[in-house]
Amino acid sequence: KAGVTQTPRYLIKTRGQQVTLSCSPISGHRSVSWYQQTPGQGLQFLFEYFSETQRNKGNFPGRFSGRQFSNSRSEMNVSTLELGDSALYLCASSLEGRGLAEDEQFFGPGTRLTVL
Amino acid sequence: GNSVTQMEGPVTLSEEAFLTINCTYTATGYPSLFWYVQYPGEGLQLLLKATKADDKGSNKGFEATYRKETTSFHLEKGSVQVSDSAVYFCALLIYNQGGKLIFGQGTELSVKP
Repeated sequence: KAGVTQTPRYLIKTRGQQVTLSCSPISGHRSVSWYQQTPGQGLQFLFEYFSETQRNKGNFPGRFSGRQFSNSRSEMNVSTLELGDSALYLCASSLEGRGLAEDEQFFGPGTRLTVL
Repeated sequence: GNSVTQMEGPVTLSEEAFLTINCTYTATGYPSLFWYVQYPGEGLQLLLKATKADDKGSNKGFEATYRKETTSFHLEKGSVQVSDSAVYFCALLIYNQGGKLIFGQGTELSVKP
C-alpha cells in the first residue's frame, strides 16, 4: 500500500507570492490533517478535512486555507507569503479521523517551503 | 486548554545507555497519548501509543506508561543504539476532536558510538 505522498518536496517563493501544496492520502483514508513545523513553534495543527469538509481548524490567519477533493486528496494554499511562513508542512491521513488512537495517522514526508 | 510539555534537548548519549525523555500533558476530556519519531529528512512515524490510564505502549525496545495521576507519558529505552538518533515528539489526541494531534516541542536525541 502506498504511503502518504506530498508534492512538491521543496519550494522556494518570495514574499507576497502564494503557494499551493498537495497531499495524497493512503488509499481508503478519508481524513487529511495539515501541520506546520518550524524550529521556533514546533508542530502546529493547521486544519483537518473529512469528506471534502473542513472539520477542525487551528489558530492560523485566513491566509492559510485548504480543500479536499472527492478522492480525498487535499491541497493547502498560503496567500501573501511572509518570511515566517518558511516551514516544513506535513500532512497526515487516517481512515476516519475521529480522534481514536486506533485510527492511526500516517504522515507524509512533508513539503519544505522557503520564503525569501 | 490541551498541551504537551517535553524535556528540552538535545540529549546526547553513548550507545547502550539508558534513555528517558520526559513528557507531561494537560488535557480536557479523555486523551490518547503517543510518541512519534522523526528521522532526518522524513515525516513522522508513530513509535508507540496508549489509550487509557496505566496502559503501557511499547515498540522497538521503547516503552511509555500512561500515568493519569502524574499526567505523564515518559519515553524509556534500556539500551539505545546509534540508529535511534532522531527527534522524538510526545503528542495527545482528544476523542471526538477529530484528527487534531497536539505535540510537544520535540526532543532531539543523538547517540554516539
